[in-house]
Amino acid sequence: RKEVEQDPGPFNVPEGATVAFNCTYSNSASQSFFWYRQDCRKEPKLLMSVYSSGNEDGRFTAQLNRASQYISLLIRDSKLSDSATYLCVVIGARSYNTDKLIFGTGTRLQVFP
Amino acid sequence: NAGVTQTPKFQVLKTGQSMTLQCAQDMNHNSMYWYRQDPGMGLRLIYYSASEGTTDKGEVPNGYNVSRLNKREFSLRLESAAPSQTSVYFCASRQDLVQPQHFGDGTRLSIL
Repeated sequence: RKEVEQDPGPFNVPEGATVAFNCTYSNSASQSFFWYRQDCRKEPKLLMSVYSSGNEDGRFTAQLNRASQYISLLIRDSKLSDSATYLCVVIGARSYNTDKLIFGTGTRLQVFP
Repeated sequence: NAGVTQTPKFQVLKTGQSMTLQCAQDMNHNSMYWYRQDPGMGLRLIYYSASEGTTDKGEVPNGYNVSRLNKREFSLRLESAAPSQTSVYFCASRQDLVQPQHFGDGTRLSIL
């Protein structure tokens, strides 16, 4: 089993739709979680952190489910400009001299008019 | 507000040539990273430096060397380039173990 897994998609949704992605992780001791956005042939950019209590930033909501070991990203009122690949990132259990940060392979979102 | 700066942005090499990819960050971050990204493979860690003066292998270190020149700069060297090293290379940095990474805008490297 991969340490971090995402559905590669693509998710094709019309403008204005609500879409949600999940990302599962295998290490129950994982500490920190993030969502990144990556546009085609560009660098990944931090979209938002994922807090235990859930957090919202405009049209974007991130949630963490520790019991089932997944994080989610919900996008409301999708815009054409939301079309991108969304990467989840999990930071593993802290141990001396390690720096384990794991990227999912990404979920591609395509929003159409 | 430069963040993470990579040079060059594009490079074409012949098999067997050597080159160094440069990366500098101005955020006073402790950790720096080199990744490669290939279609369908996601980001793969080549080498990282948890702090100035230390470097460690990542998932795919073969064929590469790194130097953490100072706190700001972390370079990646290909001693004898091979076509399998054709990829997009990203440098990243972060402050500590629970913080997210910040990425440079990448180096697109083609080896013929």
